Amino acid sequence: NAGVTQTPKFRILKIGQSMTLQCTQDMNHNYMYWYRQDPGMGLKLIYYSVGAGITDKGEVPNGYNVSRSTTEDFPLRLELAAPSQTSVYFCASSSTSGGPYNEQFFGPGTRLTVL
Amino acid sequence: GQSLEQPSEVTAVEGAIVQINCTYQTSGFYGLSWYQQHDGGAPTFLSYNALDGLEETGRFSSFLSRSDSYGYLLLQELQMKDSASYFCAVRRGGSQGNLIFGKGTKLSVKP
Repeated sequence: NAGVTQTPKFRILKIGQSMTLQCTQDMNHNYMYWYRQDPGMGLKLIYYSVGAGITDKGEVPNGYNVSRSTTEDFPLRLELAAPSQTSVYFCASSSTSGGPYNEQFFGPGTRLTVL
Repeated sequence: GQSLEQPSEVTAVEGAIVQINCTYQTSGFYGLSWYQQHDGGAPTFLSYNALDGLEETGRFSSFLSRSDSYGYLLLQELQMKDSASYFCAVRRGGSQGNLIFGKGTKLSVKP
């Protein structure tokens, strides 16, 4: 299993541009999450999904959108990029409610810079 | 609201024991997780406590006291490869497994 994969690894955007961060998992997990991590900080939840067709906002959803058309894929869309969205973005997945240990599996991250 | 407090940095020597504390304030507490993150890497799961007491996994142990809203991660026989950031994260009940992360503790292991 590849686990959770994310593309691209790095990206530089200009202010006002848009892009989609891709996330795919091959563990047949129902739950998927998008986090952002600013330097020296913890992870903040942007959006999450409990299954195909179901998404909900996390702590910091403004400026982002998501969709979940399949179990495997959970893309994150940035519209009108702003410098405040410069961050490292992690996608994660877990089995229903994370199983007995509540373990989330993280992708390698996308480093995004908005100039 | 929710908040987690953990020290920002800890330094220890190889072979030593280090404890990283985490205090939390949250409604609907369900459990406390610990994740490790090496520089430039992704977080990886270390442990989870839903009940009071100590959970041991090899050199790492995690403790939880629900009445004190407090937990800690204990790392024994420190190795250079343990140099990383360690995050505590609260799982809130009824939140579909959502985690609220602390800001992390950067552990530096010296020879």
